[in-house]
Amino acid sequence: GAVVSQHPSRVICKSGTSVKIECRSLDFQATTMFWYRQFPKKSLMLMATSNEGSKATYEQGVEKDKFLINHASLTLSTLTVTSAHPEDSSFYICSAGLANNEQFFGPGTRLTVL
Amino acid sequence: EDKVVQSPLSLVVHEGDTVTLNCSYEVTNFRSLLWYKQEKKAPTFLFMLTSSGIEKKSGRLSSILDKKELSSILNITATQTGDSAIYLCALPGSSNTGKLIFGQGTTLQVKP
Repeated sequence: GAVVSQHPSRVICKSGTSVKIECRSLDFQATTMFWYRQFPKKSLMLMATSNEGSKATYEQGVEKDKFLINHASLTLSTLTVTSAHPEDSSFYICSAGLANNEQFFGPGTRLTVL
Repeated sequence: EDKVVQSPLSLVVHEGDTVTLNCSYEVTNFRSLLWYKQEKKAPTFLFMLTSSGIEKKSGRLSSILDKKELSSILNITATQTGDSAIYLCALPGSSNTGKLIFGQGTTLQVKP
């Protein structure tokens, strides 16, 4: 099956620093990549949709200057949380989509901002 | 507005029981319905359904779509403690950007 990796799996950082999370589709080229955030015991909340070579489309209420997305190739997208604060602590999950709408998720990144 | 509703929101059963999880949807342009299982990490793909009435099966899990009723069910037979997870139903939204609309999820707990 399609495999999506995410790195790092866990990161702890100080308030005010920036954190970059990488998402890679390992054995396929993804039409589109998606970034989600998940709070405890809640469903996934879509943050942005990312297509290779173009600007990401952010969901309402998501600050694009705070959550920078770069989609350099059909197999790599990165999310950078800039000037992170404790309220940004969360579980961030990426997914890679195929043209038939199947989506495969990365294992997620647990971000803790102290 | 696109909408996906799952029921029940949570369920506690004992090993060996059979469970049925429900997913109802409202989308303008139906393309497919997906089921995922989420344990401690990110969701893992279970099934994608596109045609009504055709059952998809994987071991003790099976799922079927009913386009007339705008719904799908996920069945798990002979449940095991390892089936404890959140089960998510999702559909591509009407905007055709590939974006998935998720239900709230059903939290299943299987007791020994």
